[in-house]
Amino acid sequence: AQKVTQAQTEISVVEKEDVTLDCVYETRDTTYYLFWYKQPPSGELVFLIRRNSFDEQNEISGRYSWNFQKSTSSFNFTITASQVVDSAVYFCALSEAQGAGNMLTFGGGTRLMVKP
Amino acid sequence: EPEVTQTPSHQVTQMGQEVILRCVPISNHLYFYWYRQILGQKVEFLVSFYNNEISEKSEIFDDQFSVERPDGSNFTLKIRSTKLEDSAMYFCASRPGPLLNEQFFGPGTRLTVL
Repeated sequence: AQKVTQAQTEISVVEKEDVTLDCVYETRDTTYYLFWYKQPPSGELVFLIRRNSFDEQNEISGRYSWNFQKSTSSFNFTITASQVVDSAVYFCALSEAQGAGNMLTFGGGTRLMVKP
Repeated sequence: EPEVTQTPSHQVTQMGQEVILRCVPISNHLYFYWYRQILGQKVEFLVSFYNNEISEKSEIFDDQFSVERPDGSNFTLKIRSTKLEDSAMYFCASRPGPLLNEQFFGPGTRLTVL
């Protein structure tokens, strides 16, 4: 069975600080996919990134960066120079490639509050 | 940009009543999903649907739940006899094709069971 753990339930930072959201996963599959979604106060789920298990290259997109480490089963997300608009709940999710439905298993989410 | 749409945005119903939540996935997507999120909790998988049949379902998706794709565009989730604990945000998602790509989520339907 697959599992995603986001140990930080809530993080509060001041604008312009860097912040890292942790994600640890468990899976028996050798091929799998990891995702990050953002849920702003309006409630929708916004896709941020997908990472394949065979691609450990880190990725940067503007102020966002992701650090995938297979050895520690972690897929951490860093926001550089945080802004108030980054305030949201962030979910890490896992999908195993072999499942018939490729369902997403979500972590419990990390609520990020960025204060001005 | 194409997006998944869901109606209604908020549904209030009495316990024991049937509800139908509607979704229009992105055109040309082949895989469809329902998830739910009880207030303040994580997003949980309910069911996946491909080629006009359920491909996977969770323990939550019991006999009270059913899904249907009645025409080429709509994808519905029916709850036959709602319970208080069915109160949640229900998200529909769709995915393009057999190569695993990200699932695109709709804005959700907030279901309140009184």
